[in-house]
Amino acid sequence: EAGVAQSPRYKIIEKRQSVAFWCNPISGHATLYWYQQILGQGPKLLIQFQNNGVVDDSQLPKDRFSAERLKGVDSTLKIQPAKLEDSAVYLCASSWGHEETQYFGPGTRLLVL
Amino acid sequence: AQTVTQSQPEMSVQEAETVTLSCTYDTSESDYYLFWYKQPPSRQMILVIRQEAYKQQNATENRFSVNFQKAAKSFSLKISDSQLGDAAMYFCAYRLNNAGNMLTFGGGTRLMVKP
Repeated sequence: EAGVAQSPRYKIIEKRQSVAFWCNPISGHATLYWYQQILGQGPKLLIQFQNNGVVDDSQLPKDRFSAERLKGVDSTLKIQPAKLEDSAVYLCASSWGHEETQYFGPGTRLLVL
Repeated sequence: AQTVTQSQPEMSVQEAETVTLSCTYDTSESDYYLFWYKQPPSRQMILVIRQEAYKQQNATENRFSVNFQKAAKSFSLKISDSQLGDAAMYFCAYRLNNAGNMLTFGGGTRLMVKP
């Protein structure tokens, strides 16, 4: 079974630029999550989708972050404009349902200069 | 709000020895799950073990076992017969049952395994 795929693996941008990350969950997984992991900290949930609907986006900085999950499969997370403090690893995870075990992708490491 | 605390930023263990990683959490709820995740340098987070709060019996997965003390709100991970491949960041996480699937993570413990 293929795992959660994410791209790109690394991204370096300058502040005020825009960036987008892509996630392809495990086939059949209805629930998809985006986490932000700042260096030296545990992951923090940004947004959770159930199929193509948002379940929880209470910790998403909506003035600059946006996410979508068209057709309930792949998802993109966008930052516009980026700030220095957005430097982090962005992890995508998926699960069969919202009560099931989450499986994580390898993450995208973002460096904002 | 729930919080998860891992008080050991780094731990080291000799290969084949046993090590225990500590985790405490704060919650006023009684129905929840606890998890230990492993994050090797490749960054892929892997579930190691999970514990349902309503179960008194401690979860075990091969060389990994937990010591779940509900009253003390403590959830430690014991790794027996440590192997070089166990070297990684270990994160303790909490999830309230029946409230979506939001995981709250601790700050992590870096485990080093010495040959």
